[in-house]
Amino acid sequence: DTEVTQTPKHLVMGMTNKKSLKCEQHMGHRAMYWYKQKAKKPPELMFVYSYEKLSINESVPSRFSPECPNSSLLNLHLHALQPEDSALYLCASSQAGSRYQETQYFGPGTRLLVL
Amino acid sequence: GDSVTQMEGPVTLSEEAFLTINCTYTATGYPSLFWYVQYPGEGLQLLLKATKADDKGSNKGFEATYRKETTSFHLEKGSVQVSDSAVYFCALSDHGSGNTGKLIFGQGTTLQVKP
Repeated sequence: DTEVTQTPKHLVMGMTNKKSLKCEQHMGHRAMYWYKQKAKKPPELMFVYSYEKLSINESVPSRFSPECPNSSLLNLHLHALQPEDSALYLCASSQAGSRYQETQYFGPGTRLLVL
Repeated sequence: GDSVTQMEGPVTLSEEAFLTINCTYTATGYPSLFWYVQYPGEGLQLLLKATKADDKGSNKGFEATYRKETTSFHLEKGSVQVSDSAVYFCALSDHGSGNTGKLIFGQGTTLQVKP
């Protein structure tokens, strides 16, 4: 089973709202990722968690706040977003630990619209 | 830094035609190489991968061979179907971030297959 699930599938929020995106995997993977993808572009890495610790933050604005409560869950908390933050947000996971376990498996994404 | 270059699309083919999508890369060291596919409105799915030179990845009739001498990983399929219409991303895994391989994507190639 190589399934990564994401909720919600779609989200519409105002610029003053607070919302959260959720990602879950049950493959025993110890690395989890958040990506942002704009239309007709490749995904852009935002954050990487390795063994529940934040290991990479790609200079993402503080209005995006990641959280990894355990090895199966990854959240992305959103606050005071801007319309340009509208995008598809993708979660991925991988085994980590060696280069032969690095294949990333992606979820279906959350399509976010900021009004 | 590491980079991936894909042929620009869209690529439009008739059903049962032969497909080639070119991908070349620049990397220090020996990256792993991947092809991901994204169907409309969905997340990324791993199509195939190769972890060392001369490896051939294959899945669902698609193939790609890791060519170190030409730094290429071209995607091929002998006979495309309408259901293959999607965006295809070539990617490499950057090992510069410890045990979590950061994926570097090409710009994506849109494939349209007509009946």
